[in-house]
Amino acid sequence: GAGVSQTPSNKVTEKGKYVELRCDPISGHTALYWYRQSLGQGPEFLIYFQGTGAADDSGLPNDRFFAVRPEGSVSTLKIQRTERGDSAVYLCASSPPGGLAGYNEQFFGPGTRLTVL
Amino acid sequence: AQTVTQSQPEMSVQEAETVTLSCTYDTSESDYYLFWYKQPPSRQMILVIRQEAYKQQNATENRFSVNFQKAAKSFSLKISDSQLGDAAMYFCAYRKGDDKIIFGKGTRLHILP
Repeated sequence: GAGVSQTPSNKVTEKGKYVELRCDPISGHTALYWYRQSLGQGPEFLIYFQGTGAADDSGLPNDRFFAVRPEGSVSTLKIQRTERGDSAVYLCASSPPGGLAGYNEQFFGPGTRLTVL
Repeated sequence: AQTVTQSQPEMSVQEAETVTLSCTYDTSESDYYLFWYKQPPSRQMILVIRQEAYKQQNATENRFSVNFQKAAKSFSLKISDSQLGDAAMYFCAYRKGDDKIIFGKGTRLHILP
């Protein structure tokens, strides 16, 4: 498949547990974005990678949230000590390098639905 | 900070009719992009249409067109000849360059057969 893939599709965990959410971007895409979409809301930005480094992590809500992209491809969003308020759909998007006039379309994955009981 | 506001939580339209979804935004930038995304129950975010702020001409993609009023910071989406497959959540969104996308809260569109 040529699209952005995210695993798992659904994740149910208990309050206080640790979870990892994975994003596989489109091959060759250098930029990768994480968004969180709470029920009835639009997606909200969490973090943006350009290559291996986090170019903007201003959207991470607190220090329980952390993301890595060690080889500039796959990214993992890690949530420690999960809380019920972390329940949401976590969306990943990637975009290619270059582009006209500074624009590169973001291609979204299907998301991971996280439920914290 | 940039914000995007969608004041219509839900809308309904008869199949084959035309519907307009409203969106306003706030920014101090002069060069940016505006988008409408469609999100069906599958959760996949699909780009419907894009507008560059420096272009005066309104973008059009088949049955989808926008009314971009830069001075008023208004960006509405018109769907002509509505089809059952158009039923979804629609999000208005803003982006400056390659930066993050800022989304509105969405409008749920129902298509009545």
